[in-house]
Amino acid sequence: KQEVTQIPAALSVPEGENLVLNCSFTDSAIYNLQWFRQDPGKGLTSLLLIQSSQREQTSGRLNASLDKSSGRSTLYIAASQPGDSATYLCAVRRITGGGNKLTFGTGTQLKVEL
Amino acid sequence: GAVVSQHPSRVICKSGTSVKIECRSLDFQATTMFWYRQFPKKSLMLMATSNEGSKATYEQGVEKDKFLINHASLTLSTLTVTSAHPEDSSFYICSARDPGATVNGYTFGSGTRLTVV
Repeated sequence: KQEVTQIPAALSVPEGENLVLNCSFTDSAIYNLQWFRQDPGKGLTSLLLIQSSQREQTSGRLNASLDKSSGRSTLYIAASQPGDSATYLCAVRRITGGGNKLTFGTGTQLKVEL
Repeated sequence: GAVVSQHPSRVICKSGTSVKIECRSLDFQATTMFWYRQFPKKSLMLMATSNEGSKATYEQGVEKDKFLINHASLTLSTLTVTSAHPEDSSFYICSARDPGATVNGYTFGSGTRLTVV
């Protein structure tokens, strides 16, 4: 059974700081990995998706890396801003016999302070 | 990009009543949609996979008679919480994947906050 863990569970940083969020998964047989952002009481917004054959993806101030063999992914946020405050979730997609499913991590709650 | 609309965003109901939540793919057809449940400060737990024109596939431990799923068209899936009880209070989110997208990511609805009183 796939298990996805995110560390840290919560993080508070001053504005402008660069930071790294970690995601680890137990089964390396994944199709892809996706990072999401969730604001309080809201749905999920997709940030980055990394295919299993890729090492990293970048979008603006965000950079996500994937090391499938070790079961790890990181989300790097450069020059953090108060608007980045949210919960960040990683999810892995594994093709199973019953269809494609996403398994979510436990999330990292980020607060960027002025 | 692909958009998934979920309605209502918030609902309060009395114990014993049923509540229906709708999930629509607005600009693509989704043969498969997914329903998740999220407890406070917890991650998303997949409840079931909704298949257009056939029965939903439920995850272990999810009562199919309690959480009725109907996927009657390629753009609409509904989740009905039957005979709701306070322990059913939660945040429910649906998602779908645009099969025509070049990048195989999932798009999520905005979620429904259900409170059973």
